[in-house]
Amino acid sequence: NAGVMQNPRHLVRRRGQEARLRCSPMKGHSHVYWYRQLPEEGLKFMVYLQKENIIDESGMPKERFSAEFPKEGPSILRIQQVVRGDSAAYFCASSQHSGAYEQYFGPGTRLTVT
Amino acid sequence: ELKVEQNPLFLSMQEGKNYTIYCNYSTTSDRLYWYRQDPGKSLESLFVLLSNGAVKQEGRLMASLDTKARLSTLHITAAVHDLSATYFCAVDNPSQGAQKLVFGQGTRLTINP
Repeated sequence: NAGVMQNPRHLVRRRGQEARLRCSPMKGHSHVYWYRQLPEEGLKFMVYLQKENIIDESGMPKERFSAEFPKEGPSILRIQQVVRGDSAAYFCASSQHSGAYEQYFGPGTRLTVT
Repeated sequence: ELKVEQNPLFLSMQEGKNYTIYCNYSTTSDRLYWYRQDPGKSLESLFVLLSNGAVKQEGRLMASLDTKARLSTLHITAAVHDLSATYFCAVDNPSQGAQKLVFGQGTRLTINP
């Protein structure tokens, strides 16, 4: 059973470009969470999605960031007009259902904005 | 707002010694997790603690939970170099509608020969 998959693993963008990060949850999991880890810090929650629904986006910056989890295909975290402060590791996690014991983390996407 | 604090944030220790990492959280939580992260890598789940007095052990690591004190500890026994990593605790509250994990700042553990 494949784990949570994220791609790309590394992404370099120039200031002002768009970044698209993809997350495929574990098989049978329909809940996806996105977290951001700034250098030398802990992970910070961004958004929680179920298929076709955003459940909790309390950690998402108000501008430039959006997330979706369509009926078919991976979850996408989109960052428009990236700035240097967006440089971070972005982790996706998935769970089987709400309240499930554990969220299983993907390998992360390391975004560098130059 | 749920907050999680770990201490110490940095810990350098000798092989063979024992030490404890502390994790305090600010409000009642359903579950407490410990994760390990190696540099440039993802998070590896170590323990999930569900109830007051819960104790779990795996190898040289032992985690415990005191829900009344809102405190969890991660105890390292006879440390070895392979345990060098950053350790995070995290809590969540699905019974209160909060599915998200709230993480501590992490404890960077370096074990010297």
